[in-house]
Amino acid sequence: GEDVEQSLFLSVREGDSSVINCTYTDSSSTYLYWYKQEPGAGLQLLTYIFSNMDMKQDQRLTVLLNKKDKHLSLRIADTQTGDSAIYFCAESRDSSASKIIFGSGTRLSIRP
Amino acid sequence: SAVISQKPSRDICQRGTSLTIQCQVDSQVTMMFWYRQQPGQSLTLIATANQGSEATYESGFVIDKFPISRPNLTFSTLTVSNMSPEDSSIYLCSVEEPTGYGYTFGSGTRLTVV
Repeated sequence: GEDVEQSLFLSVREGDSSVINCTYTDSSSTYLYWYKQEPGAGLQLLTYIFSNMDMKQDQRLTVLLNKKDKHLSLRIADTQTGDSAIYFCAESRDSSASKIIFGSGTRLSIRP
Repeated sequence: SAVISQKPSRDICQRGTSLTIQCQVDSQVTMMFWYRQQPGQSLTLIATANQGSEATYESGFVIDKFPISRPNLTFSTLTVSNMSPEDSSIYLCSVEEPTGYGYTFGSGTRLTVV
């Protein structure tokens, strides 16, 4: 079946850029999402990208999509302590909830 | 985005008992979704709750174990019945983003069964 994989942990220095990577197996993926989960909170939709795009930028966030390699990345520029969270990659063929597959999440920690 | 209030935020329950989780949305929505996030794992969709009809359950989840109510367009409950330690998870409710892309999640209910 479809699968989404992420590395479990990432540690970066405050002020540096963070790059969180994700690979997926479903070549029919149409929507790709990045969610952020802060401690004790629910998931917050950060951004999404359509499969016919290769890049999307929103302030400090840049999403890159390599559809050929089925690779998605989230770059956070000038990483701050408030960026500490778990980041989930997710993909779906359509906007129906039953088709969304989540990765296991990458825990981003910031060191001074 | 919709604002979702979910409660309780956490609970510790005895095995064999049941817990009902409530989810309140600040706007009317057609569908509400219930997810489970087991420790160290990703989210799994339990069921979709439509107002006025029975919930639709995903493979591996059954109504007897996870009964759902959806009495109106802003509220839903999920009950975890006859709990065992394997039910220890975070349970989250979710609604679709107004843009139609992506979903908003509640803060979750952290359930520990002892």
